Amino acid sequence: GAVVSQHPSRVICKSGTSVKIECRSLDFQATTMFWYRQFPKQSLMLMATSNEGSKATYEQGVEKDKFLINHASLTLSTLTVTSAHPEDSSFYICSARRGQETQYFGPGTRLLVL
Amino acid sequence: AQKVTQAQTEISVVEKEDVTLDCVYETRDTTYYLFWYKQPPSGELVFLIRRNSFDEQNEISGRYSWNFQKSTSSFNFTITASQVVDSAVYFCALSRGQGAQKLVFGQGTRLTINP
Repeated sequence: GAVVSQHPSRVICKSGTSVKIECRSLDFQATTMFWYRQFPKQSLMLMATSNEGSKATYEQGVEKDKFLINHASLTLSTLTVTSAHPEDSSFYICSARRGQETQYFGPGTRLLVL
Repeated sequence: AQKVTQAQTEISVVEKEDVTLDCVYETRDTTYYLFWYKQPPSGELVFLIRRNSFDEQNEISGRYSWNFQKSTSSFNFTITASQVVDSAVYFCALSRGQGAQKLVFGQGTRLTINP
């Protein structure tokens, strides 16, 4: 149990386009999902907390208009990187909280913006 | 504020050696959770253990063991008889016991097990 999937696993796009990343909890319902960003050889940086049926809570310094988060159901959250630029290239990881304590992570999405 | 420190950036050992990964945390909460995650080269974070602040019992799971000591605010992780497949980046993390329960990660320790 506690499986989280992400799609796509890897995406290459042109500068100025938008990219949508999906995060799904496959065998449990998650009222809360989290989106992280990880640069090479660095730790995970929390971008936002996604709550089902309500607006996401963004961390300080994260542009909510650039990183759109939608949590439309108890098993799906999406992150859309709008008007992507090369500096948005990174590894994006989502997690879903099962119960009250443990976050389970997806396999991540590698985004490369040319 | 909460903080997690993993002072060991990289560790390299020979297979079958025992290795301990250190984790020191800071929090003012009385209720909190501590975690260890493994990140292999594929990138996915694999959950290893969760420990709440009221449970100081050490835990053993196969070759893995964890030592939680509130007196020193440490939650160290030991791998016994290491194997090449243990090579990965290991993250220690902390969350509050209530509220949003966001995870605060340490910087990670890159563990390399050489054959």
